[in-house]
Amino acid sequence: ETGVTQSPTHLIKTRGQQVTLRCSSQSGHNTVSWYQQALGQGPQFIFQYYREEENGRGNFPPRFSGLQFPNYSSELNVNALELDDSALYLCASRAQGVTHYGYTFGSGTRLTVV
Amino acid sequence: SQQGEEDPQALSIQEGENATMNCSYKTSINNLQWYRQNSGRGLVHLILIRSNEREKHSGRLRVTLDTSKKSSSLLITASRAADTASYFCATDDDYKLSFGAGTTVTVRA
Repeated sequence: ETGVTQSPTHLIKTRGQQVTLRCSSQSGHNTVSWYQQALGQGPQFIFQYYREEENGRGNFPPRFSGLQFPNYSSELNVNALELDDSALYLCASRAQGVTHYGYTFGSGTRLTVV
Repeated sequence: SQQGEEDPQALSIQEGENATMNCSYKTSINNLQWYRQNSGRGLVHLILIRSNEREKHSGRLRVTLDTSKKSSSLLITASRAADTASYFCATDDDYKLSFGAGTTVTVRA
């Protein structure tokens, strides 16, 4: 069973709207990452947070932003939604510096933009 | 752009047979990981192999790594219907994973 939970599981939004996705990381994991997975493709790295600061970012525009809170929860915010933002959004956590273990992923939020 | 590329894109095998999939990557790595994804849900970590390791086993899984060829392979032995899933390799550079497009494995009963 995964120790990372995401909400909501599904979401439908209209183009131009804003959306907030939530993640509760596994206890003790102080690093959280977000990924976007389009249909039929592998996940693409959006950004990573460590101690409530962004410490790595992929090739995503500034309208993708995030927050990490001290209680191991985090948010992904997307402004001005576009149709191409329709995807599965995955949250993943790991303890910082523990590079000999894999990441723990949540079950994802399926976002549909219409 | 994606770091890893899996081959084949899709694989269909009979229950009990072995399944082998390959992954190639482009840059130096700290480690390489394999993940499984069922029906478009979350990814499950299967196995991690460090850059100084050549082979690793975990249950019915065997992973090899050839850093000179920048390639890795995942072997699933004695496959079961429950192994039906998409499998992804991912390179780890300490702050992000870079995934390939995955191999879809179908195990027929």
